[in-house]
Amino acid sequence: DAGVTQSPTHLIKTRGQHVTLRCSPISGHKSVSWYQQVLGQGPQFIFQYYEKEERGRGNFPDRFSARQFPNYSSELNVNALLLGDSALYLCASSLVQLAGAPYEQYFGPGTRLTVT
Amino acid sequence: AQTVTQSQPEMSVQEAETVTLSCTYDTSENNYYLFWYKQPPSRQMILVIRQEAYKQQNATENRFSVNFQKAAKSFSLKISDSQLGDTAMYFCAFMKLGYAGGTSYGKLTFGQGTILTVHP
Repeated sequence: DAGVTQSPTHLIKTRGQHVTLRCSPISGHKSVSWYQQVLGQGPQFIFQYYEKEERGRGNFPDRFSARQFPNYSSELNVNALLLGDSALYLCASSLVQLAGAPYEQYFGPGTRLTVT
Repeated sequence: AQTVTQSQPEMSVQEAETVTLSCTYDTSENNYYLFWYKQPPSRQMILVIRQEAYKQQNATENRFSVNFQKAAKSFSLKISDSQLGDTAMYFCAFMKLGYAGGTSYGKLTFGQGTILTVHP
């Protein structure tokens, strides 16, 4: 089975532009999470989606938005890009537990965004 | 808010030896989950081991084991018989479960990471 896939692999944008990153979860996984990993640091949580609804949001400005589609794939959108948005953006998918212990989050290879 | 601290930016170990990576965390929660993730140079983040806070027994996965000290809020990772393929960035992560719409969900809070290099 294919793992979590993300596109594009690399992206170079200019300050002020908009970017859309895409993620396809593992087949059967209904939850998708997005993380930002600045070089040399640990990933930071941005969003989590399940059944097209936002289930959690990290401390990121409103320039960051996301959505989940009926096939459970997801997009992360960032408007008015800043130099500080340069990072590796990771998508993770997981099964959904009705209650109790969380299922493992499986990560994709990430999209490397460079803002110049 | 929860915080996770990894105080060792870099570690190195000889092949076949044992190494321990440190992690401390701060939380007021009583029920939570702790993880160690490995991120090799290829960037794919891989789960190494997990620990439920309500379990006193330390988790083990083959050559990987943890020392979970709940009162001290410490969660260290021990890698035995280190292999060249263990070379990677290792992240300690914390998760508190939330509930919404009848389902549970959790966000991961990561530490800064420890670069582990295994030398032949």
